[in-house]
Amino acid sequence: QKEVEQDPGPLSVPEGAIVSLNCTYSNSAFQYFMWYRQYSRKGPELLMYTYSSGNKEDGRFTAQVDKSSKYISLFIRDSQPSDSATYLCAMRANTGGFKTIFGAGTRLFVKA
Amino acid sequence: GAVVSQHPSWVICKSGTSVKIECRSLDFQATTMFWYRQFPKQSLMLMATSNEGSKATYEQGVEKDKFLINHASLTLSTLTVTSAHPEDSSFYICSATWTSGIYEQYFGPGTRLTVT
Repeated sequence: QKEVEQDPGPLSVPEGAIVSLNCTYSNSAFQYFMWYRQYSRKGPELLMYTYSSGNKEDGRFTAQVDKSSKYISLFIRDSQPSDSATYLCAMRANTGGFKTIFGAGTRLFVKA
Repeated sequence: GAVVSQHPSWVICKSGTSVKIECRSLDFQATTMFWYRQFPKQSLMLMATSNEGSKATYEQGVEKDKFLINHASLTLSTLTVTSAHPEDSSFYICSATWTSGIYEQYFGPGTRLTVT
């Protein structure tokens, strides 16, 4: 079993839709949770991060962490064609340096 | 924000030759840099972690003699792929962070290596 599971998609939605991206994990030591966006043939770009459980909102993006279920989500409201990219969840523990475990990434297509 | 550059962005080399990839933090001092490998439609695979002035820590299964990493300064790390073979063709991405940057890893744009 992988430490982090993420549905690779692809996920195709119409412009304006609400998008829900999810990851599950098995390591209860994970404390830091991040979401990265990666455009084709580019490096990942940090979108959001949260520590421990709870919600965090930034513009059209909302990140949720449910540690009891070992489940994290990223919601994108009013999705735009420019949101079309691969979204990677990532997480790490409070110890062990900065070693971060990444999900496989979900490919998102937002159709105009 | 923190900017990380990589050079070259794309390189083609012949089998058996060595290739060096540079990773630079442009506007901050990177105490730690990471090197990842990414295959098409797959996630990032951590190859090694390097701290300035010390030897890199390689992940299990990564050949340290084949993938030489040097982190000589707080703004520069290099990855040298020695005696490259076609199976080394991949997208190599570096990232950098600093001691107090608990969450953030800032990624470079990546280097596409093709070995013929």
